[in-house]
Amino acid sequence: DAMVIQNPRYQVTQFGKPVTLSCSQTLNHNVMYWYQQKSSQAPKLLFHYYDKDFNNEADTPDNFQSRRPNTSFCFLDIRSPGLGDAAMYLCATSRVLSGSTDTQYFGPGTRLTVL
Amino acid sequence: AQSVTQLGSHVSVSEGALVLLRCNYSSSVPPYLFWYVQYPNQGLQLLLKYTTGATLVKGINGFEAEFKKSETSFHLTKPSAHMSDAAEYFCAVIGPGGYQKVTFGTGTKLQVIP
Repeated sequence: DAMVIQNPRYQVTQFGKPVTLSCSQTLNHNVMYWYQQKSSQAPKLLFHYYDKDFNNEADTPDNFQSRRPNTSFCFLDIRSPGLGDAAMYLCATSRVLSGSTDTQYFGPGTRLTVL
Repeated sequence: AQSVTQLGSHVSVSEGALVLLRCNYSSSVPPYLFWYVQYPNQGLQLLLKYTTGATLVKGINGFEAEFKKSETSFHLTKPSAHMSDAAEYFCAVIGPGGYQKVTFGTGTKLQVIP
């Protein structure tokens, strides 16, 4: 089945130790998103790629970076995780044609723990 | 600018009872509306969506929602709650016409009591 895959599902890292989360998709969607979701809150958009164009949200800390080497893969890099970065990280994709936005499809998420 | 309000952060229903989760939106143009469900430690799963056409939308797991423009509402309903419906539900809106980001509501946690 076509889908959005995130690896790993659970990630434990140490305070200040860089970590990379992975997302891949078989939907061939041109837009990929990274969200941060803390307990009992709505997902918060960190940034997205529209094709190869990177779009950062104004309030996303510099500690968070992203890479999209090709259509299928997108990575979230946290350069120096702090305790406050412990959260669920969700990847989503959508198809945008002629500037019109379509449904976002989400992966299962990666639960990040910072010790 | 658009916004979404979900009334009730927690809703409890008895198994077999009607489920009603409320969502009101604010948008200057007719929006696209979505309901997502999230089970513990899972991503968001699309339940249903409204873009254009029929205002009563049927989704997965027996859920449906009705777009009411006059009330700016998109409430989610299910006639008979099942234990497996216990989850968090998010209403979301996208403005049509050009690339738009999703605006999520704050979520409603549904508890189903046996």
